[in-house]
Amino acid sequence: LAKTTQPISMDSYEGQEVNITCSHNNIATNDYITWYQQFPSQGPRFIIQGYKTKVTNEVASLFIPADRKSSTLSLPRVSLSDTAVYYCLVGEINNDMRFGAGTRLTVKP
Amino acid sequence: KAGVTQTPRYLIKTRGQQVTLSCSPISGHRSVSWYQQTPGQGLQFLFEYFSETQRNKGNFPGRFSGRQFSNSRSEMNVSTLELGDSALYLCASNPWGVTYEQYFGPGTRLTVT
Repeated sequence: LAKTTQPISMDSYEGQEVNITCSHNNIATNDYITWYQQFPSQGPRFIIQGYKTKVTNEVASLFIPADRKSSTLSLPRVSLSDTAVYYCLVGEINNDMRFGAGTRLTVKP
Repeated sequence: KAGVTQTPRYLIKTRGQQVTLSCSPISGHRSVSWYQQTPGQGLQFLFEYFSETQRNKGNFPGRFSGRQFSNSRSEMNVSTLELGDSALYLCASNPWGVTYEQYFGPGTRLTVT
């Protein structure tokens, strides 16, 4: 299981682009990278998943360099409602899966 | 499609009792996973069921058990409740069964007194 490292917290202002980077040095060849968003007292919400290069959907973009040892979740023009904890996971469901502490993003007015 | 539903949403139990939580996955999803979330330990994986079989299990004592029915609905049971079992219990369903593309329910808030 690939261990992941993310910043514990980040601050931003409304309207800015936010980039959250996740390091996963021992990612395996078949591993996908998945990001979730969680608000207090709610279940995590699937944001985006990718394998290589760039993936974009209506919510975010995911950038994955060629060596796949890191990935960056990009949130365009954040608003106050984007204040949440963001989790990066690598691999698939198995006995050792961990969500980690995630990155607590605070968006200020 | 309707999302993942969990019942009940809130539950208060006394230490020593047992509890059963229910989860209905998104239609067509065959994999259901359960998680426990507490302020101190974060989001921890309990187990995953696929086609009525437990396929993965996290590091939790045997008091925590689960099952999945033929319609993919799942239940988890906690016996001999302890104060430390107070947590938000989350269920997630997965269309493919192995990747992390999971869709979570709103959770069941269990309080043990």
